Amino acid sequence: GENVEQHPSTLSVQEGDSAVIKCTYSDSASNYFPWYKQELGKRPQLIIDIRSNVGEKKDQRIAVTLNKTAKHFSLHITETQPEDSAVYFCAAANAGGTSYGKLTFGQGTILTVHP
Amino acid sequence: GAVVSQHPSRVICKSGTSVKIECRSLDFQATTMFWYRQFPKQSLMLMATSNEGSKATYEQGVEKDKFLINHASLTLSTLTVTSAHPEDSSFYICSAMRPGAVAFFGQGTRLTVV
Repeated sequence: GENVEQHPSTLSVQEGDSAVIKCTYSDSASNYFPWYKQELGKRPQLIIDIRSNVGEKKDQRIAVTLNKTAKHFSLHITETQPEDSAVYFCAAANAGGTSYGKLTFGQGTILTVHP
Repeated sequence: GAVVSQHPSRVICKSGTSVKIECRSLDFQATTMFWYRQFPKQSLMLMATSNEGSKATYEQGVEKDKFLINHASLTLSTLTVTSAHPEDSSFYICSAMRPGAVAFFGQGTRLTVV
C-alpha cells in the first residue's frame, strides 16, 4: 500500500517568514495530493491540492509543488501569520483506481508562527 | 461547497456499552465514505472504507466485529463502536469524497469511554 512520509514534525517560524513542509510517497499510482490544516479538536480543512498532471499550483500565500519522478511534494506558505499556526497534513490518493479516494496521510507538521 | 456532517461531536459512554456515530454528506451523494481514528498529536489513521450497499472494507488490524459500519444510503454511513473499552477513547472522523477526488471531513466525534 501507499506510504507517506512528512517532514518536519514541528516547524517554528517568525511572522512574515516562509514555511516549507515536505512529503514523499511510495506508490507511483497515486495521482492526487491534498494538503489539510487542522486546528485543535477540529476537522481537517482542505487548503490546497494538486494532481499529478501539473507540477505546481498556487493560491495566494499557499503553493504546492509536485515532483512525480522523485515522488515528493511540498507545501509552501509565504508571509506567514499567527493564524497559520496549526497542524498540517499531506496526503496521497489514487483518484481513479479501485481504492478511489482512499487518502493516506503523512504524520503531520505542527506549525507555530510567532508574532 | 460540499459539507459533511458528523454526529455526535462528543460522547461519553460507560465501558461495555455501544456507541453509534453518524456521517452524512449534505449536498452530494457519496457512494464511498471513510472512517478515520486520530489519537492526540497523531495523524489520521484509516480504519475502514464504507461502501454504499455493500460490506465495508477494513484496514489491517481493525476489528470488524468491534467497529460496525453500515452505509445504507448514498448520504449516510454509521460507525458503531461495540462493547466500548477505555482504550477505544479517541477522535473518530469520517470523510466523503466528492467526485473529482476532493475529500471533505465531518466535524469529528470525541469518544470517551469511562
